[in-house]
Amino acid sequence: GQQVMQIPQYQHVQEGEDFTTYCNSSTTLSNIQWYKQRPGGHPVFLIQLVKSGEVKKQKRLTFQFGEAKKNSSLHITATQTTDVGTYFCAGRRSNTGKLIFGQGTTLQVKP
Amino acid sequence: EAGVAQSPRYKIIEKRQSVAFWCNPISGHATLYWYQQILGQGPKLLIQFQNNGVVDDSQLPKDRFSAERLKGVDSTLKIQPAKLEDSAVYLCASSPPGLAAQGSYNEQFFGPGTRLTVL
Repeated sequence: GQQVMQIPQYQHVQEGEDFTTYCNSSTTLSNIQWYKQRPGGHPVFLIQLVKSGEVKKQKRLTFQFGEAKKNSSLHITATQTTDVGTYFCAGRRSNTGKLIFGQGTTLQVKP
Repeated sequence: EAGVAQSPRYKIIEKRQSVAFWCNPISGHATLYWYQQILGQGPKLLIQFQNNGVVDDSQLPKDRFSAERLKGVDSTLKIQPAKLEDSAVYLCASSPPGLAAQGSYNEQFFGPGTRLTVL
């Protein structure tokens, strides 16, 4: 069945370093959403990408949707300790509309 | 605006027992989702309601799990009987009605979840 794969599973960075997580789907997606889950918390919506090749920015966060609408990435510039958490991509299947979550990338930031 | 409410927050039961979780979505949100999140994994959709109708329950283990949303507002998720592998956080989410734009779907607002431990 459809899978949405995320890499890496874990990332430890020094505060101030950059961070990137990648999301790949086996099939074309109609859109992709990104969520952040703090330790012990629940997923919180960050952004949605719809168009092929779309790039959106939120302060230090840059989100990209691939040209083929099968992959996406989240890049954080100059990480801060407040960026700690697990970042999930969630891709929506084009034909069924079902939202499939990736397994997440857990980010640790050392001060 | 109040968020998605869930109760209880924590539940510990023994295998073969029954358990029920309750969710109250954000007012006016037509779509309600139940997810299962096992430690270290992403949320897995169990069931999706549109008002009081089921849209997708393809990943709901129907031999032991059931869910209802009788009046199109609150929802309950039940497990009977529970197994050890059901230990997880059960998340409820809701989203507002309608498509935000062509090809786009509205964001999901998650509740705090119920952490279930089956011994």
